[in-house]
Amino acid sequence: NAGVTQTPKFQVLKTGQSMTLQCAQDMNHNSMYWYRQDPGMGLRLIYYSASEGTTDKGEVPNGYNVSRLNKREFSLRLESAAPSQTSVYFCASSEALYQPQHFGDGTRLSIL
Amino acid sequence: KQEVTQIPAALSVPEGENLVLNCSFTDSAIYNLQWFRQDPGKGLTSLLLIQSSQREQTSGRLNASLDKSSGRSTLYIAASQPGDSATYLCAVDSNYQLIWGAGTKLIIKP
Repeated sequence: NAGVTQTPKFQVLKTGQSMTLQCAQDMNHNSMYWYRQDPGMGLRLIYYSASEGTTDKGEVPNGYNVSRLNKREFSLRLESAAPSQTSVYFCASSEALYQPQHFGDGTRLSIL
Repeated sequence: KQEVTQIPAALSVPEGENLVLNCSFTDSAIYNLQWFRQDPGKGLTSLLLIQSSQREQTSGRLNASLDKSSGRSTLYIAASQPGDSATYLCAVDSNYQLIWGAGTKLIIKP
C-alpha cells in the first residue's frame, strides 16, 4: 500500500552541489509530476511526464532536469544547486492527465 | 495567466460548526477543479474533484461547488471535528497543469 514514495525525505546541500530526487509509484499510473512548495505559496509545477517516454516543462523548470526512467519512476535532478531552490519538493502521479493526483510525502531540501 | 486565490488564509472555529472555504480563479477555461488536504509535514490528499461540466461533488461531510462563470468554488465542511484541522488547497486543472492556491489553514478547536 505504498502509493508514491519519495527519497530522500530530507537533504542539505551546499551551493553548486548536484543531487537527484527519486520518486516511484506502484499504482501503474501513466502520468507523473514534480512540484515545489515554498512557504505561504501554493505548489508550482516543475516538470511532468504524461506517459512513459515523454516529459514536458511546467511553470518553473529552470535549474532542473527530469528523467522518466520507466513507468514507475520519475527523477528530478538539480545540476548546480542554488539557495533559491530551497523548498519542499513533491512528486505525484495519476492514471492520466486531468485525473486525480496522488502525492508522496515530500522531500525537504535546504541549500546553503 | 491563470491565478488561484484562497481566502481566508487562516480560519479557527469551534468544533461542531459548519464552515465554508473559498477559492477563486481568473480564467474560466478549466478542465476541472480539485480540493486537497495537507497535514503538517505530509503530502497532499485529494478530497474532491469537480469536472468543469459539474456544479458540485459530495463526499461524506464535504461538499464542493463550482461556478465556472464567476470563477468560484467553495468547500463546505459540515459538523467540523478536530481531525479536520489541516491546510486545504484548491487547484484548477487547465492546459495540462494544476494551478494552485496558497491554501486556507483550518483549526478546529475542541
